[in-house]
Amino acid sequence: DAGVIQSPRHEVTEMGQEVTLRCKPISGHNSLFWYRQTMMRGLELLIYFNNNVPIDDSGMPEDRFSAKMPNASFSTLKIQPSEPRDSAVYFCASSKTSTYEQYFGPGTRLTVT
Amino acid sequence: DAKTTQPNSMESNEEEPVHLPCNHSTISGTDYIHWYRQLPSQGPEYVIHGLTSNVNNRMASLAIAEDRKSSTLILHRATLRDAAVYYCILRGRDDKIIFGKGTRLHILP
Repeated sequence: DAGVIQSPRHEVTEMGQEVTLRCKPISGHNSLFWYRQTMMRGLELLIYFNNNVPIDDSGMPEDRFSAKMPNASFSTLKIQPSEPRDSAVYFCASSKTSTYEQYFGPGTRLTVT
Repeated sequence: DAKTTQPNSMESNEEEPVHLPCNHSTISGTDYIHWYRQLPSQGPEYVIHGLTSNVNNRMASLAIAEDRKSSTLILHRATLRDAAVYYCILRGRDDKIIFGKGTRLHILP
């Protein structure tokens, strides 16, 4: 199995631009999670989906952030417009509800200048 | 969400056992205790989890106190590759897990 796949691995963009991060979960996993990690705030859960339905988005910082999961094999996290304080590593993780072990992708390092 | 308390950092010598403590005095009866670790420049990695009984797997052992208010992750023979941040997390009935600051483990050669 290829594991959780995230793209791009690195993204550098200017303030005000739209950024889209992508995630392909492990096949057969029915839960998907988006996290953000910074030195100041550590690892924060932004949103999670179960069977493609958003269950808890209480961690999404503000309306500039949105996440979708159109099917079981793909999810996006969009930031529009981006700001320098959004600079962080964004991780996607997936799990099977029956086992609850989360498998993390390699992350996308976002830099907003 | 129930909270956990871990030391900020610990050191251990290579090839010796490591005991990483975690306090969770507000744990509820249905909370599972999960441990993850994050190696440098990587995403977190699942290590082990348990409810009441001690658990063993190929990576580590988890010792859970009888009152469940604390637990200890045991690495039986630390290697340099075990240097990481170790997170002790309580998971309730849903899939959500909340990461704290964890313990940064340094392994001395």
